[in-house]
Amino acid sequence: NAGVIQTPRHKVTGKGQEATLWCEPISGHSAVFWYRQTIVQGLEFLTYFRNQAPIDDSGMPKERFSAQMPNQSHSTLKIQSTQPQDSAVYLCASSLNWGQNTLYFGAGTRLSVL
Amino acid sequence: TQTVSQSDAHVTVFEGDSVELRCNYSYGGSIYLSWYIQHHGRGLQFLLKYYSGNPVVQGVNGFKAEFSKSDSSFHLRKASVHWSDSAVYFCAVSAIWGNEKITFGAGTKLTIKP
Repeated sequence: NAGVIQTPRHKVTGKGQEATLWCEPISGHSAVFWYRQTIVQGLEFLTYFRNQAPIDDSGMPKERFSAQMPNQSHSTLKIQSTQPQDSAVYLCASSLNWGQNTLYFGAGTRLSVL
Repeated sequence: TQTVSQSDAHVTVFEGDSVELRCNYSYGGSIYLSWYIQHHGRGLQFLLKYYSGNPVVQGVNGFKAEFSKSDSSFHLRKASVHWSDSAVYFCAVSAIWGNEKITFGAGTKLTIKP
C-alpha cells in the first residue's frame, strides 16, 4: 500500500500561470478530498468526490479553481491564473467507504506563486 | 455549521511528562470527533475517533481522548510523552449522516523538551 500519492511535491509558478496538482488515492478508496493549508488560514476544505462524483465544492474559490476526478485512480486540482495568495500546501486525502470518516492524507504539494 | 476550537496554539512539555491537548466543538447533530497528527513537512495521520459508546477512546502510541457532551469537548491525552511526539495535532469534526466534509481546528503545536 503506497498511500495517497501527490505530485509534484513542489511547484513554482509565475503570477498568472496555470497550475495542475495531481492526486492518486489509495486503491479501493472511493472518496477523495482536497484541502489547502496555510499558516494564516490553517486547514481549509476545498472539495470532495465520492465514487468520482463531486459532492461538495463549497470551499472552492469559484473563479479560478476547478477539480476533477475522471477515474477511480486519480483526481486533479487546477488553478488558473495563479496569484500570490494561492501559495499554500495543497493536501489530498482519500477515504474508504461512506461513513468511515477517516482520511488518509498524501504528503501534499507546496505551491509557490512568485 | 460545525466548528472546532483548539484553545492552545503551542504546548511545551518535557519528555516523560503527561500532556493534554484541548478541543471544543460546536455542532447540532450526531458527529464524529477525531484527532490527527502532522509531523513537519508531511501530511496528516489519523490518531483516533469517537462517535458513540465508551467516551474514552484509545489511539495509537499511547494516546487517548475523552468525549464530554456536557462540555462539548474531546481532549487528547498522553501519560508519558516521547520526543517523537513533537508535531502539530488537529482536532476534527464531521457529521455522521450526510455530508462527509471534515472540519479541522487550527491545530496545537506540541514541543517536547529533552
